[in-house]
Amino acid sequence: AQTVTQSQPEMSVQEAETVTLSCTYDTSESDYYLFWYKQPPSRQMILVIRQEAYKQQNATENRFSVNFQKAAKSFSLKISDSQLGDAAMYFCAYRRDSGYALNFGKGTSLLVTP
Amino acid sequence: DAGITQSPRHKVTETGTPVTLRCHQTENHRYMYWYRQDPGHGLRLIHYSYGVKDTDKGEVSDGYSVSRSKTEDFLLTLESATSSQTSVYFCAISGTRDSASNYGYTFGSGTRLTVV
Repeated sequence: AQTVTQSQPEMSVQEAETVTLSCTYDTSESDYYLFWYKQPPSRQMILVIRQEAYKQQNATENRFSVNFQKAAKSFSLKISDSQLGDAAMYFCAYRRDSGYALNFGKGTSLLVTP
Repeated sequence: DAGITQSPRHKVTETGTPVTLRCHQTENHRYMYWYRQDPGHGLRLIHYSYGVKDTDKGEVSDGYSVSRSKTEDFLLTLESATSSQTSVYFCAISGTRDSASNYGYTFGSGTRLTVV
């Protein structure tokens, strides 16, 4: 099974600053998809951003962007201009092209301080 | 989330009793999944379904069974609940493989199960 590793159990950032959450994965596949999900205290799982492995261009969604390094099997999430509402658990997830289910990392808890 | 509901939202049960959690969707999606979330483990796949009566095991399937007799319902049963099955359970749905890749997966609100 593919392994997704989030090496930072907790991170902290000041409001308006930038923070980067790390994610690495292990796969022998060449085609796959990567996702970042946000889980606020409400428990809702919210898709933040996704990346296709065949695309070299890094995905961007407003203040959220990724640094996708395919050779290094790295998929980090950058949050710019952090807001109090960004405080949540963030999960990195992988899905191989021919697969169905998502394979999740253990998550990073992000604290945003005023 | 809209289109997917889980019931119950909370449940406390005794060790050794059977428990069934329900996931209901109105999106007519083919694929449905059950995950459990535990601190320090993220979300781990229990079982998934790729159609009516078509199911397969995930990473942590021991002690769990599933059934899908209709497209809209996916049931997760703990045959004899144990304290190690205390967790938050999430159901998720996805459409075609392409749409899942483009739009991600839709998750239910979760069921917090406590086995005492």
